[in-house]
Amino acid sequence: GAGVSQSPSNKVTEKGKDVELRCDPISGHTALYWYRQRLGQGLEFLIYFQGNSAPDKSGLPSDRFSAERTGESVSTLTIQRTQQEDSAVYLCAIRGLAANTGELFFGEGSRLTVL
Amino acid sequence: AQSVAQPEDQVNVAEGNPLTVKCTYSVSGNPYLFWYVQYPNRGLQFLLKYITGDNLVKGSYGFEAEFNKSQTSFHLKKPSALVSDSALYFCAVRGFMDSNYQLIWGAGTKLIIKP
Repeated sequence: GAGVSQSPSNKVTEKGKDVELRCDPISGHTALYWYRQRLGQGLEFLIYFQGNSAPDKSGLPSDRFSAERTGESVSTLTIQRTQQEDSAVYLCAIRGLAANTGELFFGEGSRLTVL
Repeated sequence: AQSVAQPEDQVNVAEGNPLTVKCTYSVSGNPYLFWYVQYPNRGLQFLLKYITGDNLVKGSYGFEAEFNKSQTSFHLKKPSALVSDSALYFCAVRGFMDSNYQLIWGAGTKLIIKP
C-alpha cells in the first residue's frame, strides 16, 4: 500500500524458529499499528506505537511476540519459537495525517507460514 | 463495550445489480465509521469514512455508505456492481472519545459479483 512497505512479503519457516517482520513507513507518521489476519478471518490488533509514548501492547497474544519502533521510522515485529498457529498475514498500518479521524493506511502484509 | 457487526459472511450479487454490505455498530458517543476493501493477497485499502455532516458519504470506486444513527448502521452500497468489486469488505468504528484512535473491526464480508 502507498506509504507503507513490508518485508518479507512471504516467509516460510519451521516450527520453533524465530522470525522478524519489518514495516517501513513513509516519514511523518507517528502512529503505527500491527495487526494479524488469519486465513479468512478479520483483523486482530497486536500493538500500537504513538511517537515516544509507551506502546500499547495489549493485543500481543503471548510473550513470544514483541515489536520495536525507533521514533517515526522502521518497526519490526519478532515472533520467537514460532508455532503453526502463528501462520497468518501480518499487516502494518499507519494513521493518516488527519489524525482526528483516524483512518489507517495499510501495507501489503507479510504472509507467514509455519511448517 | 464497543463493537462492530457485519451480519453476512458472504454476499452474492449479479453484475450490474445494486449491492449492499451491512454493518452495525455499538460505540460510546458519536462514532467515526470506516469501510475498507481487501482484494485477494493484498493489504486493506481505505474506501470511505463518516465523521460528521451528510449521512450519505461517497468514496472510492463508486461506493457510498449511509450513516443511520437511529439504527446504528453504516451500510456500504453501490448502484451497479462490477465483477472487479469482488473482494473482502471490512467495516470499522472508532469512538469519538477514543484517544488511542483504535479502530474496532468487523469480521469482514466476502462480496462475490457474478457475471
